[in-house]
Amino acid sequence: RKEVEQDPGPFNVPEGATVAFNCTYSNSASQSFFWYRQDCRKEPKLLMSVYSSGNEDGRFTAQLNRASQYISLLIRDSKLSDSATYLCVVTARTSNDYKLSFGAGTTVTVRA
Amino acid sequence: DADVTQTPRNRITKTGKRIMLECSQTKGHDRMYWYRQDPGLGLRLIYYSFDVKDINKGEISDGYSVSRQAQAKFSLSLESAIPNQTALYFCATSDAGFQETQYFGPGTRLLVL
Repeated sequence: RKEVEQDPGPFNVPEGATVAFNCTYSNSASQSFFWYRQDCRKEPKLLMSVYSSGNEDGRFTAQLNRASQYISLLIRDSKLSDSATYLCVVTARTSNDYKLSFGAGTTVTVRA
Repeated sequence: DADVTQTPRNRITKTGKRIMLECSQTKGHDRMYWYRQDPGLGLRLIYYSFDVKDINKGEISDGYSVSRQAQAKFSLSLESAIPNQTALYFCATSDAGFQETQYFGPGTRLLVL
């Protein structure tokens, strides 16, 4: 089983729509959670960290559900520029270090 | 100028050749990483370094080696390239380890024939 799993999509949505998707993780000891954005053929960039209480950054809302071991990302009022692949990233403590696990990404395409 | 740079950006090589990918950063971070990305898979960690004297294997280090020449430079070598090392390679830095934001370079597209 993969440590971090995402629905690859694509999620095709019209401008102005709301789109949401989840990411599940297998390690119950996971500690830190992030969403990164990756544009086609470019490097990933941090979109937002995910906090236990949930957090918002403009049109983006991230939630963490530790009981069910998933995080979610919701994008409101989608823009064409939101078209990208969104990577879920989870950090877990190991015996002497941390381990960072990346999901394969969820692709979102916003159409005019 | 970009904070994390990688050279070359694209490379085609043949099976058995030795190839080096280079990464430089101006962020002043001690921690540097090499990842590879394959279609349908998440980024996978090859090697990481927490300072110039510290080198650690990641989950897929076989067939690769690294050199941390300075705080700002971290090179990845493929000793004898094979076709399944065809991938997109990213260098990254962070200020405080895996639990903090990773800053990625623009990537190197490598094709091994």
